[in-house]
Amino acid sequence: KQEVTQIPAALSVPEGENLVLNCSFTDSAIYNLQWFRQDPGKGLTSLLLIQSSQREQTSGRLNASLDKSSGRSTLYIAASQPGDSATYLCAPDFSGTYKYIFGTGTRLKVLA
Amino acid sequence: DVKVTQSSRYLVKRTGEKVFLECVQDMDHENMFWYRQDPGLGLRLIYFSYDVKMKEKGDIPEGYSVSREKKERFSLILESASTNQTSMYLCASSFLGGANTEAFFGQGTRLTVV
Repeated sequence: KQEVTQIPAALSVPEGENLVLNCSFTDSAIYNLQWFRQDPGKGLTSLLLIQSSQREQTSGRLNASLDKSSGRSTLYIAASQPGDSATYLCAPDFSGTYKYIFGTGTRLKVLA
Repeated sequence: DVKVTQSSRYLVKRTGEKVFLECVQDMDHENMFWYRQDPGLGLRLIYFSYDVKMKEKGDIPEGYSVSREKKERFSLILESASTNQTSMYLCASSFLGGANTEAFFGQGTRLTVV
């Protein structure tokens, strides 16, 4: 069974810090991987999609990398802000059918 | 902007009722999905659909059915609601293939079954 693990489960940092969120998965044969953000009680907002042929994607202060051989992806957030406080979820597509498998997320709190 | 709209943000239903959760997307996406989200369990796939009138079971389909009569609309049906179906329900859509298979989610429906 494919599994997705996100470490740490929770993180609290002061404003301005650069931080890294980790995602590991058991099956290296993924087709793509998506990072999402979820605010409390809300739906998911897509942040970045990395295709299997790519090693990283960037959007503003966010950079996501993908290492299929080691079964890992990281989300790098530069110069964190209180507005970045949310739960971050990674979701690989293992089968190429666009059925994403979700980790349980990292709950981030950025302190002003 | 891509928009995935779920018909209700909050619902309270009684045990045994038949419940319909509606989802509409405006991006002409082929794929549509229903997930439920529970604390400590994350998001789990209930059903998905690649095309009109087509459906496939996800990881936890028991107690649910779906309907997709039009491309833009995907309905989740709880045939006889039970308290263990109290949860946050999330609908998503995406293109079937090509370079951009990014999934987009609705705002969620928090269902409470009493």
